[in-house]
Amino acid sequence: GAGVSQSPRYKVAKRGQDVALRCDPISGHVSLFWYQQALGQGPEFLTYFQNEAQLDKSGLPSDRFFAERPEGSVSTLKIQRTQQEDSAVYLCASRPTGASPTEAFFGQGTRLTVV
Amino acid sequence: DQQVKQNSPSLSVQEGRISILNCDYTNSMFDYFLWYKKYPAEGPTFLISISSIKDKNEDGRFTVFLNKSAKHLSLHIVPSQPGDSAVYFCAASSYYGGSQGNLIFGKGTKLSVKP
Repeated sequence: GAGVSQSPRYKVAKRGQDVALRCDPISGHVSLFWYQQALGQGPEFLTYFQNEAQLDKSGLPSDRFFAERPEGSVSTLKIQRTQQEDSAVYLCASRPTGASPTEAFFGQGTRLTVV
Repeated sequence: DQQVKQNSPSLSVQEGRISILNCDYTNSMFDYFLWYKKYPAEGPTFLISISSIKDKNEDGRFTVFLNKSAKHLSLHIVPSQPGDSAVYFCAASSYYGGSQGNLIFGKGTKLSVKP
C-alpha cells in the first residue's frame, strides 16, 4: 500500500516484557515521527528522525524507550521492561520533507496493552 | 501545561447545519496549524492546514480560520454530513522556531452529526 504501515496492530505484553513496534513510512519520506496516544488524550510526541538521524528524542518518557531508523526508511520503537503506564496507542507518522511545513501522514497505530 | 487546548470534548450537530470546532493555543512561536480527523481504530487523517501568515484557508466544505491576536483557530464544516462524525484534533507546530515540525495536539473534540 501507499500509506504508513504499522505492525503489529495490537500487542498484549506482560509487565516486564520487552516489545518492538515497527513502522514502514511512505516511500521516500524524509521525516518520521513517533507519538504516544493515551486513552482520551491527543497524540504526544516521542521522537523524530530525519532520514536515519534521530534529531529529537525529547519526548521519550524514560530510558526504557528506544527508537531507531538505521537505513532511513523502516523504524522500530522498542520498549524495555514494559510497565502498565506504557499502555497506549503508538502512532507513527511520516512527512515528505525535512524542514518545510507540510502535513504528516499517520499509520493506523499499534495498541499496546501491558497486563 | 497544555499548549493546544480543545475545550469542548464533544459537539452534536444536525445534518446540513454548520459544525464549528474551536482550538486555543498558548505558544506564540507556533507558525503552522493543522486539523486531523480520526475514526475509531484508525490513525489520524489530515484534513486541512493553515500557515500563520494567513487568516483563512478553505477546502470544499472545510474552512479553517486563524486569529493570531487571540491565539485561536476554528474549523467550520458546512454543510455537516453524518460521515463527518469522528474525533477532530487540532495540532500546531513551529517550523521556523527551531523545531523539526513535531506536532503538538489538543485532546480532541468528538463530533456527532445526526441525520
